[in-house]
Amino acid sequence: AQSVSQHNHHVILSEAASLELGCNYSYGGTVNLFWYVQYPGQHLQLLLKYFSGDPLVKGIKGFEAEFIKSKFSFNLRKPSVQWSDTAEYFCAVNADNAGNMLTFGGGTRLMVKP
Amino acid sequence: GAGVSQSPSNKVTEKGKDVELRCDPISGHTALYWYRQSLGQGLEFLIYFQGNSAPDKSGLPSDRFSAERTGGSVSTLTIQRTQQEDSAVYLCASSPSREDEQYFGPGTRLTVT
Repeated sequence: AQSVSQHNHHVILSEAASLELGCNYSYGGTVNLFWYVQYPGQHLQLLLKYFSGDPLVKGIKGFEAEFIKSKFSFNLRKPSVQWSDTAEYFCAVNADNAGNMLTFGGGTRLMVKP
Repeated sequence: GAGVSQSPSNKVTEKGKDVELRCDPISGHTALYWYRQSLGQGLEFLIYFQGNSAPDKSGLPSDRFSAERTGGSVSTLTIQRTQQEDSAVYLCASSPSREDEQYFGPGTRLTVT
């Protein structure tokens, strides 16, 4: 069965700092990749997704992620974070052998200090 | 447009009682999913519906858990004889088809005392 690892559980940054959150998955076949965000008191929202094509994916609110197949990674980046980016971020994978279930990483709590 | 809705938003129940959680997916979405989010286990897949049928029940943690979907729309997740370890936020998601992104509801927070 596939698994997803997010190595940073808690990240604290100051506004305008650059962000990179790691995500690695364990599955050798075809995958669809997602980053979801959960703002305080709100439900999960899609930030961006990768199905195929250009491995550099741009999402909402200035976020982007790069799929590196050889490293089984899909890291999330933002050049300059804002206080409003404070949230929990989840990487998720849908593998071609897993129906349509999403396997989630453990999440990364990001706090941005104003 | 309207998103995925879930009810109740919060449910407190006594150990041993049965509970029903409801999910109203986005209109027209054929695929519906249940997940649960708990402190110890993170986000776990429970069950998936395509139309009214559930081709993947692999995530249901025990036979106390069951789910149904009627009319290709509303779904109900039932937990019988609740246990304290069932305490979690139960999330529902829907998608236009099984190949599309999933849209999540606000969840039902279940507390078993």
